Amino acid sequence: DTGVSQDPRHKITKRGQNVTFRCDPISEHNRLYWYRQTLGQGPEFLTYFQNEAQLEKSRLLSDRFSAERPKGSFSTLEIQRTEQGDSAMYLCASSLASSGSYNEQFFGPGTRLTVL
Amino acid sequence: GDSVTQMEGPVTLSEEAFLTINCTYTATGYPSLFWYVQYPGEGLQLLLKATKADDKGSNKGFEATYRKETTSFHLEKGSVQVSDSAVYFCALSDRGGSNYKLTFGKGTLLTVNP
Repeated sequence: DTGVSQDPRHKITKRGQNVTFRCDPISEHNRLYWYRQTLGQGPEFLTYFQNEAQLEKSRLLSDRFSAERPKGSFSTLEIQRTEQGDSAMYLCASSLASSGSYNEQFFGPGTRLTVL
Repeated sequence: GDSVTQMEGPVTLSEEAFLTINCTYTATGYPSLFWYVQYPGEGLQLLLKATKADDKGSNKGFEATYRKETTSFHLEKGSVQVSDSAVYFCALSDRGGSNYKLTFGKGTLLTVNP
């Protein structure tokens, strides 16, 4: 069963460093979402892709954050000049969207980022 | 904007007890409603969903009914097991937009003791 995978599972970095996370969605899924979850909170939407196009970005996604999904397959989320406030679990989800209906989002295990 | 408010935890129950976790929502459109569960060390999993008013979602003995008049989607289970210990998230997806992003509540930690 090839679900959504994320790499790395854990990342510890020093303030000011850049980090990059990878998400591999379920292979036939055309939509890919990034969420951020801080301790004691529910996941918050960051951005989403339909195939390779990034169609929406949350106001939570500052200029230091950038996401890509080249070729509409895997996605990367980069955070430049990390700050301690970036410490969180970063979740990726994918779905197979069809017109007019909701399709279940399948979540990966997340990447836990700790910024020292 | 859209928001979800769910019962503060943690909730601690004995095995076979009745469970209710309250969830209410605010949405500009006509949302679909969901309960997700996160078991220790695992990713979020969809537990159940309802897409229109009066729909009842059910799975693994859990149930929730979409109540448009009270903007609620309370999660219930008649007899909890130790294996139900997890964090439960209520969420909505506003179908008025086209992105189907999920808006989550803060989560409720459930611990079931033998």
